[in-house]
Amino acid sequence: GAGVSQSPSNKVTEKGKDVELRCDPISGHTALYWYRQSLGQGLEFLIYFQGNSAPDKSGLPSDRFSAERTGGSVSTLTIQRTQQEDSAVYLCASSAPGAMGTEAFFGQGTRLTVV
Amino acid sequence: AQSVSQHNHHVILSEAASLELGCNYSYGGTVNLFWYVQYPGQHLQLLLKYFSGDPLVKGIKGFEAEFIKSKFSFNLRKPSVQWSDTAEYFCAVTSGYSSASKIIFGSGTRLSIRP
Repeated sequence: GAGVSQSPSNKVTEKGKDVELRCDPISGHTALYWYRQSLGQGLEFLIYFQGNSAPDKSGLPSDRFSAERTGGSVSTLTIQRTQQEDSAVYLCASSAPGAMGTEAFFGQGTRLTVV
Repeated sequence: AQSVSQHNHHVILSEAASLELGCNYSYGGTVNLFWYVQYPGQHLQLLLKYFSGDPLVKGIKGFEAEFIKSKFSFNLRKPSVQWSDTAEYFCAVTSGYSSASKIIFGSGTRLSIRP
């Protein structure tokens, strides 16, 4: 597709279950970012990838959160043993290689609700 | 560490009023600066960006922003707002030294326009 695609668009899960959120970046984009947006809050940085490696994962809130990227393309964000405070919209973005100042393109997000 | 401050959390204006949203960043080196907009129910999209050259940048829908290096500011302006400008606006910064680095967002400013 032409844009960043995230799935599922909505996910309701029970507290304590694991969830996987998927991001398909724009083809050819080498940088991929994960953010979390809670109600009334800004965008909280989680992790970013350059290719398959993650130079900065400083934003992951706890060791229950992990992310990987394979083939320089699809990325999965995994949350283990979900807690109610994990409820938020998880946003993925990608950007093209090369020139500085390249903008990031965002997906529609995955709305996660932990009940 | 990089940070972005948006001091206006919620701005309410009447149509045709002029708009200025504040953005200050904290980073000593070369920066790339962005304003993103999130219309209700839609994904984040780029409004405008600055990475070099003329510090006054123009974006879509009549928006502009001015980079003032001495003030570490990148305020967003529009001379005459419309009801359709109702949205959340996010200022963001990345390091200018790398083609990809984490994007730091401000907490956002919610703009409500009275018809």
